[in-house]
Amino acid sequence: DQQVKQNSPSLSVQEGRISILNCDYTNSMFDYFLWYKKYPAEGPTFLISISSIKDKNEDGRFTVFLNKSAKHLSLHIVPSQPGDSAVYFCAASESGGSNYKLTFGKGTLLTVNP
Amino acid sequence: DAGVTQSPTHLIKTRGQQVTLRCSPKSGHDTVSWYQQALGQGPQFIFQYYEEEERQRGNFPDRFSGHQFPNYSSELNVNALLLGDSALYLCASSYFRRDSPLHFGNGTRLTVT
Repeated sequence: DQQVKQNSPSLSVQEGRISILNCDYTNSMFDYFLWYKKYPAEGPTFLISISSIKDKNEDGRFTVFLNKSAKHLSLHIVPSQPGDSAVYFCAASESGGSNYKLTFGKGTLLTVNP
Repeated sequence: DAGVTQSPTHLIKTRGQQVTLRCSPKSGHDTVSWYQQALGQGPQFIFQYYEEEERQRGNFPDRFSGHQFPNYSSELNVNALLLGDSALYLCASSYFRRDSPLHFGNGTRLTVT
């Protein structure tokens, strides 16, 4: 039973345009969400996080939106750059839990074309 | 400032054997977590160590065990290897607080034949 779902295995966008990566979750106990980026042969790298008390968090070109009622979050990258091409993982942790026990989605491969 | 380092990078073992993977956390971090990433899947939590004790465990059998040393480095041991244990094993370090993001190493690719 997948508690964190990334339904798009891949996404292709043009350089300079917006990339929108989506993530859905089923566990109502999740209250902290993160996005990680992974290049081939490297470990995942933390990008941005959001607590359930917020509905938006911004860091430079990256913005995460959280819709608790829909159990949905999205990552917006504006403008997209070729160096953003990677696999993006959505992850979540439960309230009362720790940051160490993250539940990950299967990932979305983003390709940004020059 | 070295990040999380893992060794070895690749490993090939035979079914039934035992394996030990090693991890050195990012400087200053005191908590180590281990994740298993099968092909085409996201990382799956194995367990987490803090103050040399296993603090949390995911849905993995007792064949998976670990250790944390006083210098915060950690080992993951897997006994009686199965073909299904073939995966990328990721070590992550952090501070022992909820808002401390995990920093991952590049992983150890384990192949069981």
